Amino acid sequence: GIQVEQSPPDLILQEGANSTLRCNFSDSVNNLQWFHQNPWGQLINLFYIPSGTKQNGRLSATTVATERYSLLYISSSQTTDSGVYFCAVGRGGTASKLTFGTGTRLQVTL
Amino acid sequence: DTAVSQTPKYLVTQMGNDKSIKCEQNLGHDTMYWYKQDSKKFLKIMFSYNNKELIINETVPNRFSPKSPDKAHLNLHINSLELGDSAVYFCASSPVWTPTYEQYFGPGTRLTVT
Repeated sequence: GIQVEQSPPDLILQEGANSTLRCNFSDSVNNLQWFHQNPWGQLINLFYIPSGTKQNGRLSATTVATERYSLLYISSSQTTDSGVYFCAVGRGGTASKLTFGTGTRLQVTL
Repeated sequence: DTAVSQTPKYLVTQMGNDKSIKCEQNLGHDTMYWYKQDSKKFLKIMFSYNNKELIINETVPNRFSPKSPDKAHLNLHINSLELGDSAVYFCASSPVWTPTYEQYFGPGTRLTVT
């Protein structure tokens, strides 16, 4: 099956700093999603981005499908950004599964 | 309105019991999923259903039986619960007849087996 690797596994930032999270995947995909799991355990959809670039406020994401990687940028980080960030990919059609990476655990300190 | 909802949010039970988790989506999606997140935070697919038909059964023990009474609901019944079943279970849904395969997740059900 498809392999998904995320880096770094852990990241500690001071509030206001910027960061880049990376997701590498081993095969072509037609679904790539970034999620934020907050400290309460909720999985929050950040981006659906199988290719291209999207921005939402302080967050942006870029997927280069031909090179099989995606990047999540967090600018001016806030303590509420803390949690685990997951990249998940899928291929195939109807009802095809998402394969998740192991996540990047982010802690933003004051 | 909550798009994908699950009940209960927390479930504590003893080994050997049978329990169910319910999931409902009001997005009009045709496809629903169950994922399991283990104690190390790793998320893995268990089942997917399309319009009440089982599509994926990812080598899950047959103590786990999903049931889809209609395309808006996908319930998970677990027989003879074991300690290793303790995890967070997430339900998700996605559309079929659009160009996107984006999946939307529920809030999760934390199952603790003692």
